[in-house]
Parts: sequence; structure tokens; C-alpha cells
Amino acid sequence: GAVVSQHPSWVICKSGTSVKIECRSLDFQATTMFWYRQFPKQSLMLMATSNEGSKATYEQGVEKDKFLINHASLTLSTLTVTSAHPEDSSFYICSALTGLMTDQPQHFGDGTRLSIL
Amino acid sequence: GDSVTQMEGPVTLSEEAFLTINCTYTATGYPSLFWYVQYPGEGLQLLLKATKADDKGSNKGFEATYRKETTSFHLEKGSVQVSDSAVYFCALKGSTLGRLYFGRGTQLTVWP
Repeated sequence: GAVVSQHPSWVICKSGTSVKIECRSLDFQATTMFWYRQFPKQSLMLMATSNEGSKATYEQGVEKDKFLINHASLTLSTLTVTSAHPEDSSFYICSALTGLMTDQPQHFGDGTRLSIL
Repeated sequence: GDSVTQMEGPVTLSEEAFLTINCTYTATGYPSLFWYVQYPGEGLQLLLKATKADDKGSNKGFEATYRKETTSFHLEKGSVQVSDSAVYFCALKGSTLGRLYFGRGTQLTVWP
């Protein structure tokens, strides 16, 4: 089945640094990828929709300059948390679409746990 | 707009008990419906899906039927196992291409 690889799985860094998270579709081309944020014991919050070769579409309330998304190829999207602070600590999950039809499921990566000290 | 309402947890059951997690939705058009499962520290895995009314999705003993008349997609399993302990998310994919709308998630804990 479709596999999405997310890296790193866990990162701890100091406040003020920037952190890049990669999301790769391993056996299919993903024209659309999604980035979610999940707080403990809560549902997934969609942050942005990433389309290959174009600017990402951010959800209301998500800071574009804080969360930079790049989708330069059909198999790779990256999320960069710039100048991270403790309140950015969270579980970030990416997903990818195998197709645009409504019956096509999203396939999720295993998530990245980000801890900012 | 599109939305999903999911039964709040946590749900605690003994092994071999019957499981139902309720899910209802609001959508325009003809959405597809999904159940995803999340094990601790991991991303989401697709459990089952249904793409049109009266479809039944099934996988690993879990079932859910797409009921348009009641706008529901309840998850059921006849006999749960300890290994089923996880968080279950109901999701809808509708008019906005690719966009998934998630329920709040239901934590299931199964005791031996």
C-alpha cells in the first residue's frame, strides 16, 4: 500500500532555532500533501494544504511566516518551523493524497514530535 | 459546512466485548467517509472507508456502514482485543478536494 515517510520522528531543540520536517511519498506521486498539528489527547488540526509547484494554502490562524511549507517535487514536502518557541511544541503529522477523487484516502506519516526547550 | 461529530471517550472495555463508536456527519453533496486509527506515538492508519450510501467498510473485524438517512457511520467490532487499544478518528472527505474533516477522536482501552 501507499507509504508516507516522515522525518525526523522526534526532535528536541533550543528556543529560537529553526526545525525542518520532511514528508515523503515513497511509492507514489503526491500532488497534494497536508500538514496537521495535534495537541495531546486532541484531534488533528489542519495547518496547510501543500500543492506541488505552488504556494501552500494555510488555514485561518496559522502563521505563514512561522510555518514555512515547500513542496518542490511530487514526492517531497517540507515544513520548517522558524524561530521555534516552547508554544510550538507539538506533534506534527503530514499526509499525502494518491489522487484527487473524493474516495481516495489520505495516507499519513508517523508524525514528528517537536519539543522546544 | 462539512463537519463530523464523534462520540466522546474514553471507552474502556474488557477483552471480547462488543464495541460501538458513534459518528455522525454534516456535508453537502456525496462525501466519502473514513475511520482512521492512531496507536500511541504514531501517525494515523486508514482502518476502513465507504464511498457511497449503504456501503459497508470492513477491516480487521471492524465494520461501519454509510447511512445517508441518518447521516451516520458508526464503527463496530464484535469482539475487541487488547491490541485494539488506540484512538479512533472518524473522518469525512467532501466537496473540497482532498480536505479531510476529523472528529475529535475516541480513546479506546481494552483490558485483558
